[in-house]
Amino acid sequence: GAVVSQHPSWVICKSGTSVKIECRSLDFQATTMFWYRQFPKQSLMLMATSNEGSKATYEQGVEKDKFLINHASLTLSTLTVTSAHPEDSSFYICSAWTSGSYEQYFGPGTRLTVT
Amino acid sequence: KNEVEQSPQNLTAQEGEFITINCSYSVGISALHWLQQHPGGGIVSLFMLSSGKKKHGRLIATINIQEKHSSLHITASHPRDSAVYICAGLHMEYGNKLVFGAGTILRVKS
Repeated sequence: GAVVSQHPSWVICKSGTSVKIECRSLDFQATTMFWYRQFPKQSLMLMATSNEGSKATYEQGVEKDKFLINHASLTLSTLTVTSAHPEDSSFYICSAWTSGSYEQYFGPGTRLTVT
Repeated sequence: KNEVEQSPQNLTAQEGEFITINCSYSVGISALHWLQQHPGGGIVSLFMLSSGKKKHGRLIATINIQEKHSSLHITASHPRDSAVYICAGLHMEYGNKLVFGAGTILRVKS
């Protein structure tokens, strides 16, 4: 089946620094990638929708200048958390979708801890 | 009212029992994902259904489009099935975004 990878799987960074998370579709071309955030014991919260070659669409309440999304190719989207703060610590998950399919394929997630 | 509602919220079963988790959804949702998440782990997609029934190993998922209802069944449950199970509806009007249920925390005791 379709595989989506994320890198890194976990990262610890200091407050004020920026962190980039990569999401790759390994064996298919992803028309759209979704970025989610998950707090402990809570469900996934959609942050933004990213289409290849165009600007990401952010959900209400998500700061686009803080969470920079780039979808440069049909197999790669990146999420950069800029000037990270401890409250940005969370589990970030991407999923990929290709046109003509109903199915979304999820990455394994990236656990971010900001100290 | 949530567009995707799951029940039960918590479920404890004895090893070997047959387990059912239910999901009801609203108009506008065209397909349903069943997802699994182990503690501290990532999301695994178990099934995607737009009609009928699918089976994979001990897992069975069904969907009734007329009643807007889906069920996930686990036969011969095992402690390794302990996880959070989430149903998520694909909402075409929302640009193919997923609308998530609250999740069912399943614990299977040996």
